[in-house]
Amino acid sequence: ETGVTQTPRHLVMGMTNKKSLKCEQHLGHNAMYWYKQSAKKPLELMFVYNFKEQTENNSVPSRFSPECPNSSHLFLHLHTLQPEDSALYLCASSHNDGYTFGSGTRLTVV
Amino acid sequence: QKEVEQNSGPLSVPEGAIASLNCTYSDRGSQSFFWYRQYSGKSPELIMFIYSNGDKEDGRFTAQLNKASQYVSLLIRDSQPSDSATYLCAVSSSGGSYIPTFGRGTSLIVHP
Repeated sequence: ETGVTQTPRHLVMGMTNKKSLKCEQHLGHNAMYWYKQSAKKPLELMFVYNFKEQTENNSVPSRFSPECPNSSHLFLHLHTLQPEDSALYLCASSHNDGYTFGSGTRLTVV
Repeated sequence: QKEVEQNSGPLSVPEGAIASLNCTYSDRGSQSFFWYRQYSGKSPELIMFIYSNGDKEDGRFTAQLNKASQYVSLLIRDSQPSDSATYLCAVSSSGGSYIPTFGRGTSLIVHP
């Protein structure tokens, strides 16, 4: 365990489903992030939260909706996804330099 | 557009050899440099960071930074099969709150 916990580890959902990914960290970090990792591509930053406030939305489609109720928890709400959204979704947190990543959620959209 | 370039590989080295992984970056204002290791099906794990020109050693790993030439490298001495993974280079403009830009990663295979 890295100190950043993501659930679920695997998720298969249909294009009409609604699901949520959860991320939790108890490292005392003040910034949390959602990344998307697709095969053969660099990590794609999706959202950044600093002290619960969203500071960056990297042109992510509205079918992805983040929520950060406190500095320890981060959610990614998913609805009407497309098959090309299938990827590994990684949560990370940071305090100074360097990220601590969660184990990721392997998402498959069918 | 900040870019971080890595050769995707795979880089194949025999066990016991030195593996050399390279990364170049476009933003001259970059200040912080990171190497992450990602095993297949796992999340990235920070293994080294470097801020100053020169070498930084940690066990079998050495990070080398040359800001004038805008490259950073990772050397792995006495490579082991367990070092087989994808190595991600990440670069950020400053310490603290700046978001790093990641490269695509280099796949390393250490064969017995």
